[in-house]
Amino acid sequence: QKEVEQNSGPLSVPEGAIASLNCTYSDRGSQSFFWYRQYSGKSPELIMSIYSNGDQEDGRFTAQLNKASQYVSLLIRDSQPSDSATYLCAVPSGGYNKLIFGAGTRLAVHP
Amino acid sequence: NAGVTQTPKFQVLKTGQSMTLQCAQDMNHNSMYWYRQDPGMGLRLIYYSASEGTTDKGEVPNGYNVSRLNKREFSLRLESAAPSQTSVYFCASSERQVTGEQYFGPGTRLTVT
Repeated sequence: QKEVEQNSGPLSVPEGAIASLNCTYSDRGSQSFFWYRQYSGKSPELIMSIYSNGDQEDGRFTAQLNKASQYVSLLIRDSQPSDSATYLCAVPSGGYNKLIFGAGTRLAVHP
Repeated sequence: NAGVTQTPKFQVLKTGQSMTLQCAQDMNHNSMYWYRQDPGMGLRLIYYSASEGTTDKGEVPNGYNVSRLNKREFSLRLESAAPSQTSVYFCASSERQVTGEQYFGPGTRLTVT
């Protein structure tokens, strides 16, 4: 089993809908989780961090963590075409700030 | 404030040639990283430097070497390029205390023929 797994997509949603992206991880000891967004041809950028069970909200974005089930999700409300990108889930590993990234889920928001 | 810069942006090499990818950050970060990104594979860590003067192997270090020249600069060298090293290379940096918050450079698209 890979350490961080994501459905590659594409996930296609209509404009204005809620997009739900999921990520599962294997290390039960993981304490923090991160979502990066990557536009085509660009570099990843951090959009959400979550450190404890429950929800973490930032504008239209909500990160949800369920440690018992070992999954973390990202909800994007009122999806816009500008949200079309690949979303990468990342989990720290082995100390010294090492991150393990999932392969990413491609999101397509159509008008 | 440029953040993380990388040179070159694009490079084409022939098999067996060598080259160095340059990375610099102006955020006074302690930790720096080199990743490669291939279609369907996500980001894979090649080497990292937790602090000035230290470097360690990541997930896919074979065929690469690194140098942490000073706190700002971290270079990646391909001694004898192979077609399997065709990829997009990203450099990133972070404050040691903030584990998941990494800042990425714009990337280098490398093709080895």
